[in-house]
Amino acid sequence: GNSVTQMEGPVTLSEEAFLTINCTYTATGYPSLFWYVQYPGEGLQLLLKATKADDKGSNKGFEATYRKETTSFHLEKGSVQVSDSAVYFCALSEGGGADGLTFGKGTHLIIQP
Amino acid sequence: ETGVTQTPRHLVMGMTNKKSLKCEQHLGHNAMYWYKQSAKKPLELMFVYSLEERVENNSVPSRFSPECPNSSHLFLHLHTLQPEDSALYLCASSQRASGRTNEQFFGPGTRLTVL
Repeated sequence: GNSVTQMEGPVTLSEEAFLTINCTYTATGYPSLFWYVQYPGEGLQLLLKATKADDKGSNKGFEATYRKETTSFHLEKGSVQVSDSAVYFCALSEGGGADGLTFGKGTHLIIQP
Repeated sequence: ETGVTQTPRHLVMGMTNKKSLKCEQHLGHNAMYWYKQSAKKPLELMFVYSLEERVENNSVPSRFSPECPNSSHLFLHLHTLQPEDSALYLCASSQRASGRTNEQFFGPGTRLTVL
């Protein structure tokens, strides 16, 4: 079956530091990959996505590249802000049908001023 | 209202109570989902409805009963729950189409506490 593995954290960084959150996946086909973010007390928001190998998703300064050879989709940001503090979830989906997403456990990110 | 809304946002219930969670999507999507989010565990897919028909039930206990009366509304009926059912219940929707990325939009969730 499908699975997603990501570093759990918490990850604590200072403001303006470089961020990497690792994500690797196992899938039987060619999935689409997503990063979602959850702020305290809220639901999940789609941060970025990539649908095929070598695609780069980007949004709000965050980037992730779909690496089929290493089955990875690591999230990066060059300079984090306190407002980036949240839980980040890596996820995959194998179809355009009504398939549920397979999520990692989430990485709690804490940015200190 | 925009996006996906869920009510109530918080619910406390005893093990013998019966309650319902409501989800409404204002995005014109044709698929809706229930997920359970527990501490220290990945989000668990509970139910999927596509075109108002249930297409997946991941061995969820029968004390959880979903209902999808139309493409915009989704309910989760709860009865005789256990304390371990305490969690954040998230609703999501997407547009099902061949060749289309299954990008899902989530509601804010209902925080359920079972005493």
